[in-house]
Amino acid sequence: GAVVSQHPSRVICKSGTSVKIECRSLDFQATTMFWYRQFPKQSLMLMATSNEGSKATYEQGVEKDKFLINHASLTLSTLTVTSAHPEDSSFYICSARGDFGRLYEQYFGPGTRLTVT
Amino acid sequence: GDSVTQMEGPVTLSEEAFLTINCTYTATGYPSLFWYVQYPGEGLQLLLKATKADDKGSNKGFEATYRKETTSFHLEKGSVQVSDSAVYFCALSSQSSGNTPLVFGKGTRLSVIA
Repeated sequence: GAVVSQHPSRVICKSGTSVKIECRSLDFQATTMFWYRQFPKQSLMLMATSNEGSKATYEQGVEKDKFLINHASLTLSTLTVTSAHPEDSSFYICSARGDFGRLYEQYFGPGTRLTVT
Repeated sequence: GDSVTQMEGPVTLSEEAFLTINCTYTATGYPSLFWYVQYPGEGLQLLLKATKADDKGSNKGFEATYRKETTSFHLEKGSVQVSDSAVYFCALSSQSSGNTPLVFGKGTRLSVIA
């Protein structure tokens, strides 16, 4: 149990276009979803936290108009990179947190590699 | 604020060697502690966890003990394999509920050579 999927796993887009990444919790309801960005050989950088039905909370330095997050249901969150540029190329990882008893555990998706040409 | 400090890598070991990756933390209250593993090109997988002092998390031959007195959660494995080559992240969660995200260390890259 506790599987999180991401789609697509890889995407290549042209500069100036927008890309949508989906994150789904497949077998549990996610009270909260998190979006991370990871640069090569570096740790994860938290971009934003989203709760179902409410606006996402963005970390300092993350442009909310560029990285649009929609948490439409308890099993789906989307990240849209608008007007993508080469510097947006990165590995984007989502995670979902659900109530598994005493501990709210967090499970990660497999990641989406975005390349902007 | 809460923070996690991991030993810097990369760590290169021969197969069957003993592994220790140090992790210390700073947090208020009583955090839960985690080790995650990231294989090349993949997302993070939970390796093991501990939710209170003196708990020992274990999985796939890896172990880590929650040491409150030293605020540490060092990862160990007695005999590493080539397939253990990955990046390992120590993390904490300072609350048992709510929106608090995990706080990650910077990650330690492990390479195991045959």
